[in-house]
Amino acid sequence: EVQLVQSGAEVKKPGESLKISCKGSGYSFTTYWIGWVRQMPGKGLEWMGIIYPGDSDTRYSPSFQGQVTISADKSISTAYLDWSSLKASDTAMYYCARAPRGSSAFDIWGQGTMVTVSS
Amino acid sequence: DIQMTQSPSSLSPSVGDRVTITCRASQGIRNDLGWYQQKPGKAPKRLIYAASNLQSGVPSRFSGSGSGTEFTLTISSLQPEDFATYYCLQHNSLYTFGQGTKLEIK
Repeated sequence: EVQLVQSGAEVKKPGESLKISCKGSGYSFTTYWIGWVRQMPGKGLEWMGIIYPGDSDTRYSPSFQGQVTISADKSISTAYLDWSSLKASDTAMYYCARAPRGSSAFDIWGQGTMVTVSS
Repeated sequence: DIQMTQSPSSLSPSVGDRVTITCRASQGIRNDLGWYQQKPGKAPKRLIYAASNLQSGVPSRFSGSGSGTEFTLTISSLQPEDFATYYCLQHNSLYTFGQGTKLEIK
């Protein structure tokens, strides 16, 4: 079964660092893009960025460039989203999703990771 | 940046109604557009890809059309399980989601 499994919910304080993960299985991890999507409480979906694990080609939304870092470890079929210094406004659900290189359309989604940043 | 304008933002249809949701792109995106359904507390689920292709396993009451700058998602006869929020997503140049359309029970 093709699936993306994300790491569990996190509760952090402002200024702390965090790295969340997205593990792919059931397909060739290196031949699909993995994207990250933010959903703030009660709000819509926002695309953050995307990485191609095969060669680590990474693209960011201008809104998130410099705010987060996307990486991947193809040896363990896992992509990451990390923050060096969290803010309360980073409180949101974060989804990963995969896209075939040819079509670039997100087909399979992870279950989501809830990140809560509060003092 | 490509902007996606989705309308309406909410609807209160009845079961059995025909529902149409529209997305307009700020520039031509060929058919590089998908439609997604999201239910509360769940991840989005793809319904339509390449503007008009039905995702495997999705009921045939869902259909998509359009190309270039104007796209529609149609639900031919709304079922109780279809009350959810729907998003379009362009992937022609990076990615942009529409603002979402929430179908609420009347």
